[in-house]
Amino acid sequence: SQQGEEDPQALSIQEGENATMNCSYKTSINNLQWYRQNSGRGLVHLILIRSNEREKHSGRLRVTLDTSKKSSSLLITASRAADTASYFCAGDAGNNRKLIWGLGTSLAVNP
Amino acid sequence: GAGVSQSPSNKVTEKGKDVELRCDPISGHTALYWYRQSLGQGLEFLIYFQGNSAPDKSGLPSDRFSAERTGGSVSTLTIQRTQQEDSAVYLCASSKQGITEAFFGQGTRLTVV
Repeated sequence: SQQGEEDPQALSIQEGENATMNCSYKTSINNLQWYRQNSGRGLVHLILIRSNEREKHSGRLRVTLDTSKKSSSLLITASRAADTASYFCAGDAGNNRKLIWGLGTSLAVNP
Repeated sequence: GAGVSQSPSNKVTEKGKDVELRCDPISGHTALYWYRQSLGQGLEFLIYFQGNSAPDKSGLPSDRFSAERTGGSVSTLTIQRTQQEDSAVYLCASSKQGITEAFFGQGTRLTVV
């Protein structure tokens, strides 16, 4: 398969809790990106982590990358109802090759 | 424009008719992607244009699907003899060469009746 894999496929939590989503991939990558999608329309870029980085933070987002295990995780801390969306990872193998996408995690944050 | 623009936003067509979906990428972006997404599903890669290189058409599901990119800018995705299973949201994205963050349009929701 050319696609990455994400787990869980669906996650439901209460507001204020942390949400963790995982992504695994099969090929070597230069960087890995996370995107968010609301209501089945356009995706929005959240954060990019390069292959030589292990962890990166942006606001309430924390991303880790383990290239030996070919996996990444996205942690959203202190979740809010507005975080309800689908989250996708995408791996970039470089050399202008196309991005490889995961299947996404659907996150529901209940007020 | 400020972002990736797709038109139409919504398209309802009768089975067997041809449709054209348009994507205006961000000016200067050399890479352009088309994806298809069925309800509640992930992104299905269709085609990838990168500069003057031959496009990667490996994701086109059948020969009823084709895409072109004129002048390295606007792209049109054409679906001939539409079938009900073609109903989905078609997403376009663009990115700068060497910068892999992809910018997405809002998509075209195609309904084949």
